[in-house]
Amino acid sequence: SQQGEEDPQALSIQEGENATMNCSYKTSINNLQWYRQNSGRGLVHLILIRSNEREKHSGRLRVTLDTSKKSSSLLITASRAADTASYFCAVNYSGGYQKVTFGIGTKLQVIP
Amino acid sequence: DAGVTQSPTHLIKTRGQHVTLRCSPISGHKSVSWYQQVLGQGPQFIFQYYEKEERGRGNFPDRFSARQFPNYSSELNVNALLLGDSALYLCASSWWDRKNTEAFFGQGTRLTVV
Repeated sequence: SQQGEEDPQALSIQEGENATMNCSYKTSINNLQWYRQNSGRGLVHLILIRSNEREKHSGRLRVTLDTSKKSSSLLITASRAADTASYFCAVNYSGGYQKVTFGIGTKLQVIP
Repeated sequence: DAGVTQSPTHLIKTRGQHVTLRCSPISGHKSVSWYQQVLGQGPQFIFQYYEKEERGRGNFPDRFSARQFPNYSSELNVNALLLGDSALYLCASSWWDRKNTEAFFGQGTRLTVV
């Protein structure tokens, strides 16, 4: 399958530390999006990065995209207990409509 | 502004029954997509509709069908329910189906098949 693959699958850090999650994919993309999900509820859109972009910021979030390595990373700086959630990358592959392909996610636990 | 709304929030059905899930997109959004999320997995694409036409279909059996109405709301129908259909069903809306448009998700409908 062409789903994005997040790494690590689980991450536990202390409040105030930075959290880095990675996503790899297989073929060329239009864009890549990161989402957060709390306890099996709806997905919250965090950032969309286009294939011609290399880095985007939103508050404490920083996303990078390396198309040569077919990978992306999500960095959460100065983490808070409220950041505890599952994080998914969603890949929009070239040639398709808006079908996005999700990975299995990274479960982040931020310990107060 | 209201976000994407889905109904019902929870549903319990018996094997073999039929279910209809509903989704209202964000005002002004013309594209609706449906996803199935089994516990512990990422969401899997089922359908995308844009301007009332099916624009994409995932790898799901014909028991799954959907439609979009003139007001851009959508229904997902599942016939002959199986235990394996138990999942969180997510609806996402976006302004149009161009490839660089963010999709915004509802809170989902939790379907349990017993």
